Formats: sequence, structure tokens, C-alpha cells
Amino acid sequence: GAVVSQHPSWVICKSGTSVKIECRSLDFQATTMFWYRQFPKQSLMLMATSNEGSKATYEQGVEKDKFLINHASLTLSTLTVTSAHPEDSSFYICSAGGGGTSGRSGQYFGPGTRLTVT
Amino acid sequence: QKEVEQDPGPLSVPEGAIVSLNCTYSNSAFQYFMWYRQYSRKGPELLMYTYSSGNKEDGRFTAQVDKSSKYISLFIRDSQPSDSATYLCAMSVGGNEKLTFGTGTRLTIIP
Repeated sequence: GAVVSQHPSWVICKSGTSVKIECRSLDFQATTMFWYRQFPKQSLMLMATSNEGSKATYEQGVEKDKFLINHASLTLSTLTVTSAHPEDSSFYICSAGGGGTSGRSGQYFGPGTRLTVT
Repeated sequence: QKEVEQDPGPLSVPEGAIVSLNCTYSNSAFQYFMWYRQYSRKGPELLMYTYSSGNKEDGRFTAQVDKSSKYISLFIRDSQPSDSATYLCAMSVGGNEKLTFGTGTRLTIIP
């Protein structure tokens, strides 16, 4: 299957600091990437849709000024959690969509980043 | 009512049994249907991807989509302990659009 990586896999930060999470599609170009968060024993909640070269589309209730998304290339999207607070502690997962000329069908997920804000 | 309904389980079956997982949905615009497997503290892994109605088989896995009933299923044959995970159904209107997930079913295969 397609490979999507995330970095870091685990991060602890202090309240009030910012954290950047990278998502890379390693073996295909993804025009669209998606960012999710997942709380323990719950399903994935879509936060935003990231399109290469344009502004991200945020889901209702997600603060775009707090969760900054940049999709600078066809293989890299970043999520920056600004002024993190303990309630932002969660499992953040990205996915890269195939389609187009990628030769891939479906969405492929990264391994996730566990963020703990103290 | 949620757009996608999935029994959260937990579901426990003995090794070697056939597992049946299913989801129902309400949005008739969904055209693309996926099943993901997620191990604890890992990202979901795409198992099956189908478009519109029909069956698809890949090894021990078979996915079925019945759009007239708004019902999708995943069958796992000859289940193995390594199949123990949470299985998520997901669907979308377009092929590269946001997914709507079920809640996930926790499956345990008992050796």
C-alpha cells in the first residue's frame, strides 16, 4: 500500500507553546491531504482538508487560527497547533488522498502523532 | 441519527471463524466505500476500497456494498489472532473527498 509518514510520532510540550506536525506522502503525489484527531476509544474526527497551493478548508467548530495548516507541495502538509493547551492533547492523524495521476485509490493514513500538552 | 452507523462491539470470535462486520448509512450520495483496520495507537490501514455496489475480494477479506439497502459488509475468513483490531468503515461522495467514518468495531480473535 501507499506510504504516508508523520513526524514526530510523539511529542510532549508545555502549555502555551506551538507544535508542528509534518505529514508526507512518500511514494505518490497527493493533491489533497486531510487532518484528523482521535480521542481514546473514539472514531476519527476530520479537522480540515488541505489542498496543495491553496487555503485549507476547516470543519465546523475547528479554529483555523489555532490549527494552522500548510500544504506547500504535493508530498508535504503540516499542522501547527498554536498556543497549545492540555485540552489539545490528542492523537493527530493525517491522510493523503490518491486519485488523479497518483495511480492510487482511496485515502492512506499516516501512523499518527500523539500530542501531550502539560 | 448519525450518517454512518456501526456496532462498536466488542466482538470476540474463535480463531478460524468467519467474521462479519457491517455498517449502515443514510446518505444516498455516498459512492465510495472503504474498510480500515486500526491497531491501538496506530493510524488506520486501508483494507478494502470499493466503488458503488458489488463485491470485492482480496485474500481472506471480502467487501460487499448494497447501495439499495445502504448497507456495507466486510467478511474475514479463517480469522487469525493478528486480525484483532478495530475495524472502521468509511465512505465518501467523491473519490478524493473527506471521509465519513463509522464508530469502529473492536474485534478480538481468540486463539
